[in-house]
Amino acid sequence: NAGVTQTPKFRVLKTGQSMTLLCAQDMNHEYMYWYRQDPGMGLRLIHYSVGEGTTAKGEVPDGYNVSRLKKQNFLLGLESAAPSQTSVYFCASSLTTSPLHFGNGTRLTVT
Amino acid sequence: GQQVMQIPQYQHVQEGEDFTTYCNSSTTLSNIQWYKQRPGGHPVFLIQLVKSGEVKKQKRLTFQFGEAKKNSSLHITATQTTDVGTYFCAGRRESNYQLIWGAGTKLIIKP
Repeated sequence: NAGVTQTPKFRVLKTGQSMTLLCAQDMNHEYMYWYRQDPGMGLRLIHYSVGEGTTAKGEVPDGYNVSRLKKQNFLLGLESAAPSQTSVYFCASSLTTSPLHFGNGTRLTVT
Repeated sequence: GQQVMQIPQYQHVQEGEDFTTYCNSSTTLSNIQWYKQRPGGHPVFLIQLVKSGEVKKQKRLTFQFGEAKKNSSLHITATQTTDVGTYFCAGRRESNYQLIWGAGTKLIIKP
């Protein structure tokens, strides 16, 4: 039982490049989330999904897109990376309003 | 917008001293969750409080939920080096069940 798995763990991008972060969970959770965490700040919600085929914007959605084609996967895309998107990205999942289970994070640097 | 304010941002303690972090919401919460994030790690769920005035204990950790369900605290007695990390509260809105995160309190043990 792996829980929540994020890939990759680290990535360096140049400004303007694109990439996709993958999150997979094996707990049959309905809800999935993408957060970013910056030094000295808490967790800020980018996008979330309450079920397969549905997504919704969080508090900082600009510059990101997501897809939830399968219940167990939640993808976060950056179409044209900017230095302001340098951050640690966490995926999480939950059974509706139950506590969140987090992945180990992806450290992204945009130069 | 609705916020959960968490204070202090940092707390430096000698090993063996107590530690407390406080969270205050501008509106009533349906529940509040607490998470711990070790340096370089991901947030890990500690506990959820649901009832007005609820108090829960986990060994040296005591969690409280206020009577009005707008504030909460985490108190650690006799801190140990294993307690080092950042403690986050996350309150769930009554209206739409979204999770609102505090900015976290970093516990630092003085050398």
